[in-house]
Amino acid sequence: EPEVTQTPSHQVTQMGQEVILRCVPISNHLYFYWYRQILGQKVEFLVSFYNNEISEKSEIFDDQFSVERPDGSNFTLKIRSTKLEDSAMYFCASSEALQPQHFGDGTRLSIL
Amino acid sequence: GEDVEQSLFLSVREGDSSVINCTYTDSSSTYLYWYKQEPGAGLQLLTYIFSNMDMKQDQRLTVLLNKKDKHLSLRIADTQTGDSAIYFCAESSDRGSTLGRLYFGRGTQLTVWP
Repeated sequence: EPEVTQTPSHQVTQMGQEVILRCVPISNHLYFYWYRQILGQKVEFLVSFYNNEISEKSEIFDDQFSVERPDGSNFTLKIRSTKLEDSAMYFCASSEALQPQHFGDGTRLSIL
Repeated sequence: GEDVEQSLFLSVREGDSSVINCTYTDSSSTYLYWYKQEPGAGLQLLTYIFSNMDMKQDQRLTVLLNKKDKHLSLRIADTQTGDSAIYFCAESSDRGSTLGRLYFGRGTQLTVWP
């Protein structure tokens, strides 16, 4: 069964550095999403992306964050000037129509 | 904002049925989901139900939706030790400003005892 793949599985970064989290959505899917889960908290929506542009973003997704689909297969989340509170599990998801969304295994981001 | 609530823990004996409950507040919810997360893994889509349905069955899984009470449940028949995981309830609506966004509960840790 096709699946969403995310790399790396774990990223450790110094505070203030930039990170890029990578995702390969399922190949025929058109809608792409990023969510995050801070330890002990709910999974939170960050952003959705369709037709090469952001279709919706949450209040969390400020100027520190950006997304890109640099080619026909990858979908990336860039976090600039990382802060300690950016430490979380970041999940990528994709869907063929708006629903249902299929998730990857996540990238655990640790900011030191 | 939209709120999704679940109890945090459930323990059952192998072979028994498990029922995981969820409540939500968004009356315009269109889809309701159950995702499973095993240790170290991602969110696996188990099943989902459209809001105009009140029941969906898929092998050992039965989803019941009471739209009036905004209550969703997941019943796992003949629960096995391999069903031990965290189960997340999630909802979405097709309302304009939150198109496609999922709102998650905190997850219910299901422990199955042999």
